[in-house]
Amino acid sequence: QVQLVESGGGVVQPGRSLRLSCAASGFTFSDYPMNWVRQAPGKGLEWVAFISYDGSDKSYADSVKGRFIISRDNSRNTLYLQMNSLRPEDMAVYYCARENRWLEFPFDNWGQGTLVTVSS
Amino acid sequence: DIQMTQSPSSLSASVGDRVTIACRASQSIKHYLNWYQQKPGKAPKFLIYAASNLQSGVPSRFGGSGSGTDFTLTISSLQPEDFATYFCQQTYSKPPTFGGGTKLEIK
Repeated sequence: QVQLVESGGGVVQPGRSLRLSCAASGFTFSDYPMNWVRQAPGKGLEWVAFISYDGSDKSYADSVKGRFIISRDNSRNTLYLQMNSLRPEDMAVYYCARENRWLEFPFDNWGQGTLVTVSS
Repeated sequence: DIQMTQSPSSLSASVGDRVTIACRASQSIKHYLNWYQQKPGKAPKFLIYAASNLQSGVPSRFGGSGSGTDFTLTISSLQPEDFATYFCQQTYSKPPTFGGGTKLEIK
């Protein structure tokens, strides 16, 4: 079955960096676009970044553009999110989510999430 | 960016009730509307795609309808496991955007 497992979250000071990973299994990772979505404590869902199935196309929310970088390694079935210049408002649970381009692009599978806490 | 507005933001209902949650887009999104269910401390679960198509394994008491700017999620007979927060999402244009959520609580 499809499995997405995030890792790399933790406590980090404002201005520092963190890299999240999402290990995929149970499907052909290189066939699917992937996304990062975050959820601040008690808040709704916010899309963060997108990467196409082959990594050639990327896009970002305005709130993270220029600070975060999404990437993927299809040989390792792993998605990444490099987060630089972290701010207190970046504190959230970060989910990786598979985008299904054959069903008109819903996020059909999600990881369990990894918590990023930005605090001095 | 397309804004998604859900109503109500919270709803109290009883087991067996029929409930409807509305989602409105700031511009036409055709049928590119998805619904998710989220329980506390858990990841969102994908329920419905393209406005009205149930994901495999989702109970038939869940239904979706609408097109253009106005959409609804209906649960025909609430079960205890349905009490959760529901989010709509448009994937008509990037960036994909979510509604603010509707928290469905037990009356």
